[in-house]
Amino acid sequence: DTAVSQTPKYLVTQMGNDKSIKCEQNLGHDTMYWYKQDSKKFLKIMFSYNNKELIINETVPNRFSPKSPDKAHLNLHINSLELGDSAVYFCASSQGQGFNEKLFFGSGTQLSVL
Amino acid sequence: QQQVKQSPQSLIVQKGGISIINCAYENTAFDYFPWYQQFPGKGPALLIAIRPDVSEKKEGRFTISFNKSAKQFSLHIMDSQPGDSATYFCAASTSGGYQKVTFGIGTKLQVIP
Repeated sequence: DTAVSQTPKYLVTQMGNDKSIKCEQNLGHDTMYWYKQDSKKFLKIMFSYNNKELIINETVPNRFSPKSPDKAHLNLHINSLELGDSAVYFCASSQGQGFNEKLFFGSGTQLSVL
Repeated sequence: QQQVKQSPQSLIVQKGGISIINCAYENTAFDYFPWYQQFPGKGPALLIAIRPDVSEKKEGRFTISFNKSAKQFSLHIMDSQPGDSATYFCAASTSGGYQKVTFGIGTKLQVIP
C-alpha cells in the first residue's frame, strides 16, 4: 500500500490552463505539505495543512490554491499556468511536531507547461 | 537567501570509497537536522537525522557529524555502493511548533564500480 499517493504522475498542459494535483495519505498523519522541486532539484515548501487548517503559506503566487477536504487529502489547484510553473510537485505528510517528525513524500507530479 | 548551504552539488566516488557531503546553516534556532535520500522518479525519504546535542550519529554505513559552534554538519557514507547512487539533501528545522523543513540544494552522488 502506498503511504502518500499523488495523481497524476505526469501533467503536460498549455500556458493559461487550470490544473489540479491530488494527494492522499493513508498513514493517519495530521499534517500534509506541498513542496516544489525545480529543475535544479531545489526543494521548497509551498503550503502545509494541519487537520484541514492552513498553517504554512510561503510566498507563493495566489494562482496556487491548496484545498484540504479532510486530513487525509490535500489537493493543489493551479490557475492560469505559466512556463515557470514547470517543476516536480511533491506532496508529503507527517505526524505531530518536533524532533521525531519525519516527512513521508509521495512520488511526485512532473508538471510541464508548454 | 539560502539558509542551508550544501556542497558539493555532484560527487563521483569509487565503489568502496567514502562519500562526504557537507552542509552549513545560519539560523541558530535550527535544532533538528535530517538527511533525505532521493532516487530518480521517487520522492525524498528520510535517511538519518541528528539533534545538536550530539556530535555524531551512526546508522550502518551512514554517519552524521555535527559541529554546533561552526554551524556545520556532514554526511559520511562508508564503503559506498552503486546502490547508494542518489541525490542527498541535508535539511534543518526547528522542533518547536509546526515544522518547516528547509532543504539544502542537494548533492547528486554517483558511485562507480
